[in-house]
Amino acid sequence: DAMVIQNPRYQVTQFGKPVTLSCSQTLNHNVMYWYQQKSSQAPKLLFHYYDKDFNNEADTPDNFQSRRPNTSFCFLDIRSPGLGDAAMYLCATSRDNFQGEQYFGPGTRLTVT
Amino acid sequence: GQQVMQIPQYQHVQEGEDFTTYCNSSTTLSNIQWYKQRPGGHPVFLIQLVKSGEVKKQKRLTFQFGEAKKNSSLRITATQTTDVGTYFCAGLYNFNKFYFGSGTKLNVKP
Repeated sequence: DAMVIQNPRYQVTQFGKPVTLSCSQTLNHNVMYWYQQKSSQAPKLLFHYYDKDFNNEADTPDNFQSRRPNTSFCFLDIRSPGLGDAAMYLCATSRDNFQGEQYFGPGTRLTVT
Repeated sequence: GQQVMQIPQYQHVQEGEDFTTYCNSSTTLSNIQWYKQRPGGHPVFLIQLVKSGEVKKQKRLTFQFGEAKKNSSLRITATQTTDVGTYFCAGLYNFNKFYFGSGTKLNVKP
């Protein structure tokens, strides 16, 4: 039944050690989004893909990269995590860019030690 | 700059009371969406409003989009404990810039 799956649900990494978070979808949606949500804050869009077309938000740090090898999978790479990158990372999908429902995954909570 | 302001930040109500959260933008929105996030959960889509002056209802929830497409509201009548959570609006600018509001955290006392 799960439509947007994120693995792992909890990830602990060390300061400066690269980490990859993954997202997969069974909805066959064109658009996949990555959001960062810190405690008691709103989700903040990092970037999104429309199919293979990558769209980076202007204020997303270079430390954050993404890959989408196929329709179903999307990855978030954090090249050198800092303590300030500790957050919940949410993946979402939709049929079209920002139009209609975004389906969110359960998120991956990242801890940086 | 483009951003969506949302008030209030917190709202505590007695079960059965009504609740309203408001979103305001300084510039015209292409559309506005509303999401609910339960404690420990992920955002869940409630509705999208596109047209000026649009009003949509979902059972006890009423959503409005202002005539100028710069503000929106969500009203819940006769709140229940299952309504607890944070309600976010999310505005789309020029069909390509998307921002969540800061959210209103609703607590309902039984």
